[in-house]
Amino acid sequence: KAGVTQTPRYLIKTRGQQVTLSCSPISGHRSVSWYQQTPGQGLQFLFEYFSETQRNKGNFPGRFSGRQFSNSRSEMNVSTLELGDSALYLCASSLGGADNQPQHFGDGTRLSIL
Amino acid sequence: KQEVTQIPAALSVPEGENLVLNCSFTDSAIYNLQWFRQDPGKGLTSLLLIQSSQREQTSGRLNASLDKSSGRSTLYIAASQPGDSATYLCAVKLKGGATNKLIFGTGTLLAVQP
Repeated sequence: KAGVTQTPRYLIKTRGQQVTLSCSPISGHRSVSWYQQTPGQGLQFLFEYFSETQRNKGNFPGRFSGRQFSNSRSEMNVSTLELGDSALYLCASSLGGADNQPQHFGDGTRLSIL
Repeated sequence: KQEVTQIPAALSVPEGENLVLNCSFTDSAIYNLQWFRQDPGKGLTSLLLIQSSQREQTSGRLNASLDKSSGRSTLYIAASQPGDSATYLCAVKLKGGATNKLIFGTGTLLAVQP
């Protein structure tokens, strides 16, 4: 069974640009969550999608947005990039619902802002 | 507000030693607690998940315990090997609401010396 796939693995952008990251969950998983990991703040929750609906959102500015498609694949978009957006962005998938299934993470997208 | 802390922040041990990693959380109203490992530049690998009703879980040389009332979990690694070197993270899933949001600890960087 294929794991969680994130593309691209690396991205270099400049301030003011926008970027779209992609996440393909494990087959059958309907919940996709996004996290930002930085050396200073650690892992912070961005948002979660379940059945194409955002059902939880972390404390990030509106420049961070996401969506989920009918096949459960998800994208997150960051507009007007800032230097502080440089981070490893991780996607996690699980079956969904209030269950005790573990969450499975992809290898992440490393975003560098110049 | 749930806070998750891991002690120590870094640990170096000789190969073959048994070791314990600690995780503390401030709000006992959790659904479950999950332990992950993260290798440099990689995503998170799920190691063990303990439901709030459980006291411990075992997988190979790993044993995780949970004391919800005191807000503590430990990850015991037996007979450590150089391949165990990684950052270990614990994360809690809070009760309340249909969400898979995880709150992560600060991580313990483990180095096992050959």
